[in-house]
Formats: sequence, structure tokens, C-alpha cells
Amino acid sequence: DAKTTQPTSMDCAEGRAANLPCNHSTISGNEYVYWYRQIHSQGPQYIIHGLKNNETNEMASLIITEDRKSSTLILPHATLRDTAVYYCIVRALFGTGTRLTVIP
Amino acid sequence: DTEVTQTPKHLVMGMTNKKSLKCEQHMGHRAMYWYKQKAKKPPELMFVYSYEKLSINESVPSRFSPECPNSSLLNLHLHALQPEDSALYLCASSQEPQRGAEKLFFGSGTQLSVL
Repeated sequence: DAKTTQPTSMDCAEGRAANLPCNHSTISGNEYVYWYRQIHSQGPQYIIHGLKNNETNEMASLIITEDRKSSTLILPHATLRDTAVYYCIVRALFGTGTRLTVIP
Repeated sequence: DTEVTQTPKHLVMGMTNKKSLKCEQHMGHRAMYWYKQKAKKPPELMFVYSYEKLSINESVPSRFSPECPNSSLLNLHLHALQPEDSALYLCASSQEPQRGAEKLFFGSGTQLSVL
């Protein structure tokens, strides 16, 4: 099964970009990388996903390396409401998660 | 309707009780999932149903028994649980069960406490 690892925690100053990495070295060629976040033990919320190309939506950007073994979620202007645990997911299996704290 | 609804939100049960968790979606999704999440840990996949058939069981103990009566409904029957089974149980659905291409829609979870 795919195994994804993420830093345990990160801090980011409010208004700055938050860059959250994920290592998914066992990903297969047709498997997408999905990013979700979870606030206070609520259900995880979808952020963005990608296969090979970089992606951007109204919430975030996703950068996927050419070999597809890692990716980075970018929150361009972090706010206090972005404080949450961020997960990358491959094949419906969660990564280890990064607790992002946005500091005023 | 883009919601996955889970009931109950909270459940307390004894080790000899039998209880069920319920999950419902009306998005026409054909795959449904159960996850277990312990405090400060990522959700762990338990079961996957594809087109109402069990397709994945991640070696879950038999005291957890899933059921998918129709394409909109997913149950998790609980019997003789242990205190270590206390956790947040999350249900999710996806439009198609293609492995690796699942955009998951999550419910808000059932917080289970086993006494």
C-alpha cells in the first residue's frame, strides 16, 4: 500500500505562504495525490488534488515533483482559520499529517 | 446535496452492548468507506464498499461488521467492543470506486466511547 509521510508540525506567520510537503515515494502512475485538512476532529475537508501537473484553485496550489514521489501544498496567504491538521492522501490512505499553526 | 450524514454524533456503549453507526449520502456515489481515527492520529481505513459489495477489509476485527443495504446507506455494526476501540469513526463516499482516483466526501463522524 502507498505510504505517505509528512512533517509532524509547522508554524506560519499570518499573511505569509505556508508550504506543506508530503512524501509519497510508492505512488503508482495512475494514482492521484489528494490534500485535505481537519479542524477539531471534524470530518476532513477537501482542498485540492493532482496527478502530474501543478494545480491551483481558490484555496491552494499543489506542486508535484516530476518523479511524482513528493508534493507540496501551498496556502498563499495563511490566515488564523487555516490552523488545522493537513493530510495528503493516496489510494484513500492518509498520510501522517502536519499540524499547521498560523501565528498572528 | 453534497453531504454525507453520520448518526449518531456521539455514542457511549458498554463492552457487552450491540450498537450500530449509520452513514447516508444522496450524491449517487458508488463507493463508501469507513475510517477509524484515534486521538491525534490520522484516520485509518477500515472498509471499502464498491457498488454495494465489500471490496476492502483492512484486517479489521470481527467485532466490527459493516453492511451496505443500498447505494446510499452504510452501516457499521458494533458488538463486544473493547475500550481501545474508542475513537472517532468517519464515513466517506466517492463517485466511483476506482482505486487511486477517489475524491472523498466525509461525514462529520461519530465519537464512540466504550466503557
